Order: sequence, then C-alpha cells, then structure tokens
Amino acid sequence: GESVGLHLPTLSVQEGDNSIINCAYSNSASDYFIWYKQESGKGPQFIIDIRSNMDKRQGQRVTVLLNKTVKHLSLQIAATQPGDSAVYFCAYDVAGGTSYGKLTFGQGTILTVHP
Amino acid sequence: DTEVTQTPKHLVMGMTNKKSLKCEQHMGHRAMYWYKQKAKKPPELMFVYSYEKLSINESVPSRFSPECPNSSLLNLHLHALQPEDSALYLCASNLDRGLTGELFFGEGSRLTVL
Repeated sequence: GESVGLHLPTLSVQEGDNSIINCAYSNSASDYFIWYKQESGKGPQFIIDIRSNMDKRQGQRVTVLLNKTVKHLSLQIAATQPGDSAVYFCAYDVAGGTSYGKLTFGQGTILTVHP
Repeated sequence: DTEVTQTPKHLVMGMTNKKSLKCEQHMGHRAMYWYKQKAKKPPELMFVYSYEKLSINESVPSRFSPECPNSSLLNLHLHALQPEDSALYLCASNLDRGLTGELFFGEGSRLTVL
C-alpha cells in the first residue's frame, strides 16, 4: 500500500548546525511532494515543495532533495535556529491518480534546536 | 489576504450536543478540506469540497456532517460525538483540487468531547 514514512522521529541539534530530515515514500507514481512545519498549537505551515521532474529545490535556508530511484525525500535546514523547533511533515499528492486532490502526510519528525 | 480562519479555536462538548466548526478563506480558492489531527500524529483527510460540491469523503462517520455554503465558507457540523473524536480539526484550502500546489491551513479548532 501507499505510505509516506520518516526514518527519525526526533532530531536534536545545536543552534547554527545544519539539520537534515528524511522521508521515505513507497508509491513510485507520486509526483508532487511538500514539506510542512507545524509549531505547537498551530496549523501546518508550508515550507517548500518539489515536483517529480526535479531533484533539488532551494528556498531560504531550506533545500529539498528528491531521489526517485530509492523513493526518498529530504529537507535540509541551514544554520538551524531555535525558531525552527517544530514538527516537520513530508506529504505527497498523486495528481491524476486515485488520490486525486488528496494530500497524504508522513508521520512527522520532531526537531528540537538547542541554543 | 493569505489566511484560513477557523472558529472556534477551542470547543468542549458533551456527547449529546450539536455544535459546528467554521472555516473561512478569501483567497479565491475553490477547493476546501477538513483534516483531523490527533496528538503527535499527522493530519488525516476527512472531506474535500471542490467548487462547493463534496468530492471526497474518507469514510467519515455520519456524526460529522460537512457543509459548504459558498466558495469562501466551510462548516463541519458535529452531533452525537464520542470522546475518541477529540482532536484538532484543521481546515485547508487551495486554488483547485485538480492542481497540485500548496495547501493553506488554518490554525485549527481543538475539540474536546466529554
């Protein structure tokens, strides 16, 4: 069946370090991937997205890498700050398939940044 | 305006009560969603409305009844809920469910069923 999973449920880093959050997916037909950040008591906030025709996409302090061969997605956060502490979810939407219009979330990684 | 507004932020209700959650967006989005999120879990899709018509129901119990009065509003009517229905209910929207793209989420309504 379809699944979107994370290798590490928690990640603890020092301020200024780079953080890498990983995500594995099983549906090779997946063509759109999103990373969301959810702070305590708030709704998910969009960070960055990538389509399956790309391997890498960069934003402000964040980079998403997509390896379709091994069905793996990662989020890299440069110079991590205490304000980056949150739960990070990967998610995917298989446009045109049976999950048309749906967004499936991974289990989430708790990122804790220590000052 | 890039916000999805949800009310109330907190709701406590008994199992015999009838209540409603409300969601509003003024971004011109034509797809609106209800997600349920339990503590320390990812959001789970409940309903999708596209152009004010229900297009996806993820086998949600009938004690949850969605309604989309117009393109800006989405309601979730609650009746005879169970304690296990206590969760954070998230509303989201995007331009069109047929187009992959960012889902904008509200802050959620935290529901407690006694």
